[in-house]
Amino acid sequence: DVKVTQSSRYLVKRTGEKVFLECVQDMDHENMFWYRQDPGLGLRLIYFSYDVKMKEKGDIPEGYSVSREKKERFSLILESASTNQTSMYLCASSPDRSTAPFGPGTRLTVT
Amino acid sequence: AQTVTQSQPEMSVQEAETVTLSCTYDTSESDYYLFWYKQPPSRQMILVIRQEAYKQQNATENRFSVNFQKAAKSFSLKISDSQLGDAAMYFCAIRGANSKLTFGKGITLSVRP
Repeated sequence: DVKVTQSSRYLVKRTGEKVFLECVQDMDHENMFWYRQDPGLGLRLIYFSYDVKMKEKGDIPEGYSVSREKKERFSLILESASTNQTSMYLCASSPDRSTAPFGPGTRLTVT
Repeated sequence: AQTVTQSQPEMSVQEAETVTLSCTYDTSESDYYLFWYKQPPSRQMILVIRQEAYKQQNATENRFSVNFQKAAKSFSLKISDSQLGDAAMYFCAIRGANSKLTFGKGITLSVRP
């Protein structure tokens, strides 16, 4: 079974802090994704990466950046956290278009 | 651009009964995948079923089946013999050539004992 892990299940940060959310997959998948999930809005794509050092903006990239230095790791960075970035963050990976297993999610609270 | 619409925010079903969750989508592509994901209270997103657009036969996975109407751009999920463990949020999603996975807003399914 593919395993996608995220560094934290719960995270509390202060406004203005730099925040790193880490995602690791163990199946050599090319594609990795970061989503945020908010009530009534479903999952919205922030960024995705289809190879090492390659990234593309999703639907809501503002306020976020990403890093993919190694194939198995895809990091989401909040340069200066704000309260409107309080959300659930979900990472997924996939080898092709037929599937995309997800990590367990990180509930981020910015105070 | 691709979009997914789940117009019902909530549904309820009696245990052992059948329920159908609706989903419509829009895409300009001819080759794409459609998915239903389940998210229980644990928050882990679980793939329930997937359908390749070029396949006319509706996908089935045990008690879960889809009604895929390509011309109408409709992709509904039928859950037969509903169980208490089926209670969760369900998301419909589409994935095209650029690998982006676009989700609907989800529907909360409750199962009455």
